[in-house]
Amino acid sequence: AQSVTQLDSQVPVFEEAPVELRCNYSSSVSVYLFWYVQYPNQGLQLLLKYLSGSTLVKGINGFEAEFNKSQTSFHLRKPSVHISDTAEYFCAVSVTGGGNKLTFGTGTQLKVEL
Amino acid sequence: DAGVIQSPRHEVTEMGQEVTLRCKPISGHNSLFWYRQTMMRGLELLIYFNNNVPIDDSGMPEDRFSAKMPNASFSTLKIQPSEPRDSAVYFCASSPTSGRTDTQYFGPGTRLTVL
Repeated sequence: AQSVTQLDSQVPVFEEAPVELRCNYSSSVSVYLFWYVQYPNQGLQLLLKYLSGSTLVKGINGFEAEFNKSQTSFHLRKPSVHISDTAEYFCAVSVTGGGNKLTFGTGTQLKVEL
Repeated sequence: DAGVIQSPRHEVTEMGQEVTLRCKPISGHNSLFWYRQTMMRGLELLIYFNNNVPIDDSGMPEDRFSAKMPNASFSTLKIQPSEPRDSAVYFCASSPTSGRTDTQYFGPGTRLTVL
């Protein structure tokens, strides 16, 4: 069965510093991978998704992620964070044979400090 | 578009009471998902529908939970009787089709507190 692991539960970072949020997936077949963001007291919204083609995926708010099949990773990066990026970030995988449901990771809380 | 609409936004009830959460998906979307989020268990998929038909309810905790989708524009999640351990934020999400590549659009959630 497919699953995703987010290795860091919390990541503190100073404003304007770069950040990387890690996500590893396990799957024996092709996957579709997603990053969602949840701002305080809100629902999740899509940041970006990898379906096929170029392994570097660009999303909203300056975020990007790189699909690495050999390392089974899909890490999220931003070169310079802003206070407004403080949120929880979820990696998710589309499950083969599971219809259109997603399996979410446990989330990474990004806290941007001045 | 108004997005996914959930009501109520907050619900406080006492143990043993019936609770009904409501969701209106984005117009034209064919898939609807119910999730529960807690600190301990994270984000869990409870059930999802395609074209108003329940496809996978394996995440529904127990018989106290039930979900319906009587038409394409409305779904309910009912807990009867409610227990304190049901306290959580419940999210509804919808997607345009039943395709694996579709984006899911989440509502703002219902924060349920069972005393």
